[in-house]
Amino acid sequence: SQTIHQWPATLVQPVGSPLSLECTVEGTSNPNLYWYRQAAGRGLQLLFYSVGIGQISSEVPQNLSASRPQDRQFILSSKKLLLSDSGFYLCAWKGDGHNEQFFGPGTRLTVL
Amino acid sequence: AQKVTQVQTEISVVEKEDVTLDCVYETRDTTYYLFWYKQPPSGELVFLIRRNSFDEQNEISGRYSWNFQKSTSSFNFTITASQVVDSAVYFCALSEASRGSYIPTFGRGTSLIVHP
Repeated sequence: SQTIHQWPATLVQPVGSPLSLECTVEGTSNPNLYWYRQAAGRGLQLLFYSVGIGQISSEVPQNLSASRPQDRQFILSSKKLLLSDSGFYLCAWKGDGHNEQFFGPGTRLTVL
Repeated sequence: AQKVTQVQTEISVVEKEDVTLDCVYETRDTTYYLFWYKQPPSGELVFLIRRNSFDEQNEISGRYSWNFQKSTSSFNFTITASQVVDSAVYFCALSEASRGSYIPTFGRGTSLIVHP
């Protein structure tokens, strides 16, 4: 069966510090991968998605970047965090044969 | 462009009451997919159901049921005999077949609070 992992689960970082959030999927190959941010107020904002290794599409230009160095690994990064980067970051995957996304447990980021 | 509207921001019920969460969508595609997700306090979004645009058959799963009506562009979700464990934020979502990578548009969510 497929599983999706995210780490860390929680993170507190100072403004201006770098960021690296990791997402990995097990039990599937060549998934579509997605990064979402959920700020207070619940709305889900799609940040990046990837249909394959090295292929990244950005939905919203901002202080963040994403990379997919391996088929089942998706990384969200920032060189210098802003206060507005605080939020709940969710990674999701979609495989062949179905259209729904499956989400990881999320990372709660607080920038102070 | 695709759009999903969940007009109910928050619903509060007492345990054992039935509750319906509304979802209205907009799309120009003839082929599209509708979803419901549950987000409990832990934060992870849990997939509940997918419906294809060409399949209007309603579905029941235990205490959960879904009513898909293309004529009114609605995909409503009913919980029968609600329980405290049903307390969560529920998201409706839509993805269009014409949009690559099956990127869904999510509604803003409905927070359901079930009181004991």
